[in-house]
Amino acid sequence: DQQVKQNSPSLSVQEGRISILNCDYTNSMFDYFLWYKKYPAEGPTFLISISSIKDKNEDGRFTVFLNKSAKHLSLHIVPSQPGDSAVYFCAASPDSGAGSYQLTFGKGTKLSVIP
Amino acid sequence: KAGVTQTPRYLIKTRGQQVTLSCSPISGHRSVSWYQQTPGQGLQFLFEYFSETQRNKGNFPGRFSGRQFSNSRSEMNVSTLELGDSALYLCASSLEGSGSNTYNEQFFGPGTRLTVL
Repeated sequence: DQQVKQNSPSLSVQEGRISILNCDYTNSMFDYFLWYKKYPAEGPTFLISISSIKDKNEDGRFTVFLNKSAKHLSLHIVPSQPGDSAVYFCAASPDSGAGSYQLTFGKGTKLSVIP
Repeated sequence: KAGVTQTPRYLIKTRGQQVTLSCSPISGHRSVSWYQQTPGQGLQFLFEYFSETQRNKGNFPGRFSGRQFSNSRSEMNVSTLELGDSALYLCASSLEGSGSNTYNEQFFGPGTRLTVL
């Protein structure tokens, strides 16, 4: 049972345009959501996160939106650059209260930004 | 500050063997998590250690085990290897502490690519 779903395995976007990556989750216990970016032969790199008490978090060109009622979040990249081409993973974590760091990941979306 | 390091980077084993992978977290980080990445299942949580204690465990068989040392370095072991254990094994470290902006932020190493023949 996949608790975090990224339904688009790949996405192609023209340089300078907006990239929108989507993620759905099923577990109501998830309290914190993160986006990671991964290049080949490297480990994932943290991009941006959002707590369930917020509906938007912005960091430079990256914005994450959370719609808790729909159990949906999205990552917007504006403007998209060729260096953004990578696999993007959505991840979620419960508020365990014990400081645990168990993340549940989606299967990733491969973003290609075309110059 | 050095990042998370994992050794070895590549490993080839045969079915039935056992393997030990090593992870050195970022200096000062006390939480170490392990993940398995395969094309079919994506990134799956194996276990997490903090202060030499396993705090969380994912849904993997008992052949997968780990430990953490007093210097926060961690090892994971897979016994009686199966073909399906071929995967990229990723280690991540976290700074234990509060703060909504950095909660659960994990820093990943480059991974160990394990091939089981």
